[in-house]
Amino acid sequence: GAGVSQSPSNKVTEKGKDVELRCDPISGHTALYWYRQSLGQGLEFLIYFQGNSAPDKSGLPSDRFSAERTGGSVSTLTIQRTQQEDSAVYLCASSKGRVDTGELFFGEGSRLTVL
Amino acid sequence: ELKVEQNPLFLSMQEGKNYTIYCNYSTTSDRLYWYRQDPGKSLESLFVLLSNGAVKQEGRLMASLDTKARLSTLHITAAVHDLSATYFCAVDEAWRSQGNLIFGKGTKLSVKP
Repeated sequence: GAGVSQSPSNKVTEKGKDVELRCDPISGHTALYWYRQSLGQGLEFLIYFQGNSAPDKSGLPSDRFSAERTGGSVSTLTIQRTQQEDSAVYLCASSKGRVDTGELFFGEGSRLTVL
Repeated sequence: ELKVEQNPLFLSMQEGKNYTIYCNYSTTSDRLYWYRQDPGKSLESLFVLLSNGAVKQEGRLMASLDTKARLSTLHITAAVHDLSATYFCAVDEAWRSQGNLIFGKGTKLSVKP
């Protein structure tokens, strides 16, 4: 597609359930990022994939969070045993990487509400 | 650890006035980005600044980068209501072989008639 696509756009879940959020980056972009934005706040870095390199997981807030990127394209962010503090908008972005300008292109986000 | 600070965090302006948003960062970097976010929307790229002294302009917005001062500015000229949004700066951690962008907390701009 022309832009970064994320699904679902909205997800309401009960505390303790697992959720999966999906990101389909721009074709040809080698770098993929996940950020979290809580209501009225800035962006918190979660994880970064670049090509076939090991992902940078330094921003994941706990071991309940994990992400994978299959075939260098689609990525899935999984949150296990969700807590109310996980409620936020999860933004995915992709770029051509630092060999280019490094400019990130963002998807519309997945809004997660944990009841 | 790279820290990015924006100020002000909230800005209420009258239409027609000029103002500047500041973005300071704590460690060496030669790449800085400005994004705009409308309420309930995602982030839209405004400017990419890739070297010391870089200046970019689009309409009523102009961004500049001083890597020696570790400072970028976003200048608004003759503000109009359509510029009301939250503006984020983001800095590339230069020491990493591959970039990770660290974002400021954002400046919420409200332009009133």
